[in-house]
Amino acid sequence: EIVMTQSPGTLTVSPGERATLSCRASQRVSSSLVWYQQKPGQAPRLLIYGASTRATGVPARFSGSGSGTEFTLTISSLQPEDFAVYYCQQYNNWPQTFGHGTKVEIK
Amino acid sequence: EVQLVQSGAEMRKPGESLKISCQVSGFSFTSSWIGWVRQTPDKGLEWMGIIYPADSDTRYSPSFQGQVTFSADRSINTAYLQWTTLRASDTAIYYCVRRGYDFWGQGTLVTVSS
Repeated sequence: EIVMTQSPGTLTVSPGERATLSCRASQRVSSSLVWYQQKPGQAPRLLIYGASTRATGVPARFSGSGSGTEFTLTISSLQPEDFAVYYCQQYNNWPQTFGHGTKVEIK
Repeated sequence: EVQLVQSGAEMRKPGESLKISCQVSGFSFTSSWIGWVRQTPDKGLEWMGIIYPADSDTRYSPSFQGQVTFSADRSINTAYLQWTTLRASDTAIYYCVRRGYDFWGQGTLVTVSS
């Protein structure tokens, strides 16, 4: 099973600042990676698929990059609604696996 | 409009059985797969497996093989997740999700406690 490791566990950022979240896979997963945002009491929301393609309706301040084992989600200028938990998930190998999340909190 | 609507919260005792549902609309139920995901505070999000409603073929993650059963009723566009013997460790929120990961159900909270 591929282990997905996200860092940092918590990221404390001021509104308007840039946030960079990392996700590392224990084996190569090509570009078969998605990023989600989850807020309390809600289901995960798809942000990025194929490692770098924004999902429908996702603001341009969200961008994804990477392939193989190293991936990054960047939020260029944090808005108040962006404070949430972010998860990566690989779908290249079975079983699909999630990271444990990065919590982005307000500074 | 694409929707996946899950059944409501459930409370059961250890050893009891349970079946929860995920009714889809706004897209072809038989065009691909429906997945199930478990979320707990301890383990986070876990992929349980998928079902292909077109032929009810299933694929389970190793951790869930033999512990749960997926099924589907094409006549009512509904997928199911079933337990025959619940344990306290099954307490979690369960989500259904369609292929593409873009639409999720709202989640079903299952609480197993004596």
